[in-house]
Amino acid sequence: DAKTTQPTSMDCAEGRAANLPCNHSTISGNEYVYWYRQIHSQGPQYIIHGLKNNETNEMASLIITEDRKSSTLILPHATLRDTAVYYCIVRVASNTGKLIFGQGTTLQVKP
Amino acid sequence: GAVVSQHPSRVICKSGTSVKIECRSLDFQATTMFWYRQFPKQSLMLMATSNEGSKATYEQGVEKDKFLINHASLTLSTLTVTSAHPEDSSFYICSASPLVAVRVYNEQFFGPGTRLTVL
Repeated sequence: DAKTTQPTSMDCAEGRAANLPCNHSTISGNEYVYWYRQIHSQGPQYIIHGLKNNETNEMASLIITEDRKSSTLILPHATLRDTAVYYCIVRVASNTGKLIFGQGTTLQVKP
Repeated sequence: GAVVSQHPSRVICKSGTSVKIECRSLDFQATTMFWYRQFPKQSLMLMATSNEGSKATYEQGVEKDKFLINHASLTLSTLTVTSAHPEDSSFYICSASPLVAVRVYNEQFFGPGTRLTVL
């Protein structure tokens, strides 16, 4: 699975959009971009995934560049409860594939 | 939505004893479950992949005889930390992958984790 690079930490003001970048320059054509987050002392939570088109759900939007070498997770209106570590993972989609977590980005939403 | 539970949520044990952690998929059947370990301020590290009815596949560097995994049914996997020592103190998290006919891309659901402290 392709390796990802994320900033170690980011701050965001409550109510503003949080834009979390992820670089995955070695991504293969059949690999998806997944985003998970982990709130302190809890299990990770799935946020969104995509292949090459932009995706949106009730939690976030995922913008993938045309060359697929990077992506951005957007939380449109960040709240204090969005404070968490956000993980960008690139892998082939399958029913049994394992997830390899990198260091992720610690997002601190401030009042 | 799919729910995965873990029991216990936290456990404290003496050095040398064994501890069993249960991971259950409550409203779906899971052909595959994964076990992760997380030390403070670090990321999740995959320990092993557990398939129902077969032996677990361990990641490099994880001792099979120390971390015993049993996946006896489609809703239950257990991790036993044998002869636990203080360095085994960690946050253990499981995830479950559903058995579905149609591909579901959000195919892993995580449990809330078990905090193990070995004295």
